[in-house]
Amino acid sequence: DAGVIQSPRHEVTEMGQEVTLRCKPISGHNSLFWYRQTMMRGLELLIYFNNNVPIDDSGMPEDRFSAKMPNASFSTLKIQPSEPRDSAVYFCASSLFTGGNQPQHFGDGTRLSIL
Amino acid sequence: QQQVKQSPQSLIVQKGGIPIINCAYENTAFDYFPWYQQFPGKGPALLIAIRPDVSEKKEGRFTISFNKSAKQFSLHIMDSQPGDSATYFCAARGLTGGGNKLTFGTGTQLKVEL
Repeated sequence: DAGVIQSPRHEVTEMGQEVTLRCKPISGHNSLFWYRQTMMRGLELLIYFNNNVPIDDSGMPEDRFSAKMPNASFSTLKIQPSEPRDSAVYFCASSLFTGGNQPQHFGDGTRLSIL
Repeated sequence: QQQVKQSPQSLIVQKGGIPIINCAYENTAFDYFPWYQQFPGKGPALLIAIRPDVSEKKEGRFTISFNKSAKQFSLHIMDSQPGDSATYFCAARGLTGGGNKLTFGTGTQLKVEL
């Protein structure tokens, strides 16, 4: 079975540019999570969706960050304008939320470098 | 209240040793405690998990010990191998708003030497 698919794997761009990260969750999963990983702050939850609806976006650092989930098989995380401090590895994860103990399955991440 | 504190930050053991990674939490509403393993260039992957009504869980060489009264839990890796060298994250789930939200510890970099 295909896992969580993220694209691009690597992104290098100039400060001020718009960055769009993409995620395809595992088919049938109804929860989707965006995380940011840095050495200083570890793994931080940015936002998560349940059935395509944003449930908690309290981890989104600033208005420059936005996330959408237009359908069950696709989500985007956008940064506009980007800044050097946004450099990090961004992970998408999905799970089947049934009220039970379903694990989150992570993609391999997008390594973002803002110059 | 939502934090999960993890220690040590890094750990080096000899092959065959038993590394132990510890985590502590404050929020008594947490109801599920998974451990994730992450290799360089990869996303975290679920290793083993426990519910608070159980004091110990084993899966192969990996064991979670859970102390509900102390609000602490730990991961033990028996007969550690060089292939176990990775970063390990503990996490805790709090069911909020119908979601499956995890709070992660800061991670432990484990190196198993020959």
